[in-house]
Amino acid sequence: GAVVSQHPSWVICKSGTSVKIECRSLDFQATTMFWYRQFPKQSLMLMATSNEGSKATYEQGVEKDKFLINHASLTLSTLTVTSAHPEDSSFYICSANRGPGSPLHFGNGTRLTVT
Amino acid sequence: EDQVTQSPEALRLQEGESSSLNCSYTVSGLRGLFWYRQDPGKGPEFLFTLYSAGEEKEKERLKATLTKKESFLHITAPKPEDSATYLCAVQVPGGTSYGKLTFGQGTILTVHP
Repeated sequence: GAVVSQHPSWVICKSGTSVKIECRSLDFQATTMFWYRQFPKQSLMLMATSNEGSKATYEQGVEKDKFLINHASLTLSTLTVTSAHPEDSSFYICSANRGPGSPLHFGNGTRLTVT
Repeated sequence: EDQVTQSPEALRLQEGESSSLNCSYTVSGLRGLFWYRQDPGKGPEFLFTLYSAGEEKEKERLKATLTKKESFLHITAPKPEDSATYLCAVQVPGGTSYGKLTFGQGTILTVHP
């Protein structure tokens, strides 16, 4: 069964608004979760590492003020796309593993379309 | 810079026609190599982890192998339900981000009945 749950599966928003995406680990606690982005016909790129109880770590080139990450509990991380623009339209996927040495499991992704 | 290259970009097979997908990697060090399957509009589904050259893993019609420079995903007697994008990813040692995977572009597999 699913190991990581992501919600919503798709969202359409207007330019300038903000969108929140939730990622939950099911039946295990995840002190760290990972947010990836996938553009059409391209591979997954890591955006940021979400750390429970502390600040997220962002990959080079990812705007931390645009992509706000909150990891308030051991089973929930949220990604908020602020002041969204059409170029933010993409497939956002979260992931987590049960600990170092175990494989990374991915949620089913969120398709964001900004009009 | 760590690089992962998958080939071919797309592969069309007839049902029952066995073949292999290739994943070549250039990394400073390898902690693990991962294979995932991704269906359209879905997140990647974990298939295998390989850690050292010579290692092999099998699951149903799939078999993954690893050398020092590349990995192969062998598909034996594929069925239409094996149609998907197959992604290869590597994880390198060092740093605290043990979830940081570098992905290849993927191979789109289509199996015709």
